[in-house]
Amino acid sequence: GNSVTQMEGPVTLSEEAFLTINCTYTATGYPSLFWYVQYPGEGLQLLLKATKADDKGSNKGFEATYRKETTSFHLEKGSVQVSDSAVYFCALRGGGSNYKLTFGKGTLLTVNP
Amino acid sequence: ETGVTQSPTHLIKTRGQQVTLRCSSQSGHNTVSWYQQALGQGPQFIFQYYREEENGRGNFPPRFSGLQFPNYSSELNVNALELDDSALYLCASSLETEISGNTIYFGEGSWLTVV
Repeated sequence: GNSVTQMEGPVTLSEEAFLTINCTYTATGYPSLFWYVQYPGEGLQLLLKATKADDKGSNKGFEATYRKETTSFHLEKGSVQVSDSAVYFCALRGGGSNYKLTFGKGTLLTVNP
Repeated sequence: ETGVTQSPTHLIKTRGQQVTLRCSSQSGHNTVSWYQQALGQGPQFIFQYYREEENGRGNFPPRFSGLQFPNYSSELNVNALELDDSALYLCASSLETEISGNTIYFGEGSWLTVV
């Protein structure tokens, strides 16, 4: 079945540092890939997505590129802010299970001033 | 703001009781799905409803059941509550067609505590 593996957290950075959160996946076919963010006490918000190989999703300074050859979708941001502190989830949809999202376990990011 | 609203936001139930959680989908969306998120974990798919019929289910027992109404709102029912059912329950909606899936939008969730 489908699965998503995320970099273990927590991750603690200083403001303006570079962020990478690794994500790899296992799926049949051609899944769509997503990053969702969850702020404390809130639900999930879609951060960015990519629907085919070599697509780059981007939003709010975050980027991730769909790499089929390495089955990866790493999240990056060049300069993090305190307000980016949240839990980040990598997820996939499709690849034989079109109707559901399969999530990783999440990575807690804390950004200190 | 995703347009997906859930109620109640928080509730406490006793083991063995039954609970109903409600969700109002984003306007124009025909598909609703439910996820369970235990503390410190990623969301786990419970089931999905498309045009009022269940069309996919995750690894959850039959005491987890649901409904989707003609206006595309939905309910999640859990019978015979167990302590391990304590979690954040997330409703999500999307507009699906026969040939493609689209972005899934989540509500804020309902926090269920079973004591």
